[in-house]
Amino acid sequence: GENVEQHPSTLSVQEGDSAVIKCTYSDSASNYFPWYKQELGKRPQLIIDIRSNVGEKKDQRIAVTLNKTAKHFSLHITETQPEDSAVYFCAAAGDADGLTFGKGTHLIIQP
Amino acid sequence: NAGVTQTPKFRVLKTGQSMTLLCAQDMNHEYMYWYRQDPGMGLRLIHYSVGEGTTAKGEVPDGYNVSRLKKQNFLLGLESAAPSQTSVYFCASSYPFEPGQGNLALDTGELFFGEGSRLTVL
Repeated sequence: GENVEQHPSTLSVQEGDSAVIKCTYSDSASNYFPWYKQELGKRPQLIIDIRSNVGEKKDQRIAVTLNKTAKHFSLHITETQPEDSAVYFCAAAGDADGLTFGKGTHLIIQP
Repeated sequence: NAGVTQTPKFRVLKTGQSMTLLCAQDMNHEYMYWYRQDPGMGLRLIHYSVGEGTTAKGEVPDGYNVSRLKKQNFLLGLESAAPSQTSVYFCASSYPFEPGQGNLALDTGELFFGEGSRLTVL
């Protein structure tokens, strides 16, 4: 089955700086890569996703890049704000039979 | 439109007891899932269903059973609870992921999660 590795497990950045979270996956057949944000005590929610026929996708301060050859994808958050503090999960899927999630990155925005 | 609703939200069990978690969705989604979330382990798939009357095993199915008798409901059962099953359980639902359908939800396969159920087994 699919195996997703996510790094780092904890990331602390100064408010206004950029944050980058990286994930690698094992199944070359995977073609869908979403990112979920989970605030403390809340449910995970989709923030951005990318499919394998696209190399980069942007939504305001958030961007995701995908390198299919190297089997890795990354989440980039620019101009970080206090409300960006949360746990972020990457995931990969080859079909709709369930996503495989990374173990999560706890992003801390320092004032 | 309530989305995905889980009951109960909290439960404490003794080892060996049984219980059922109920997930209900009102978005007419075909696919439903049960995940468990443990510190440092991310979200791990227990069982899932691709339609009414169907179920399949995920990554960590042992000790759990599921049923999908109605499209809108997905039940997770623990027949004999163990302390290792102490966790937060999330139900989720989605449309099938089929690119090019012209519908954002269908194209992306976004998972819609419930609020979670915190289960403690003593």
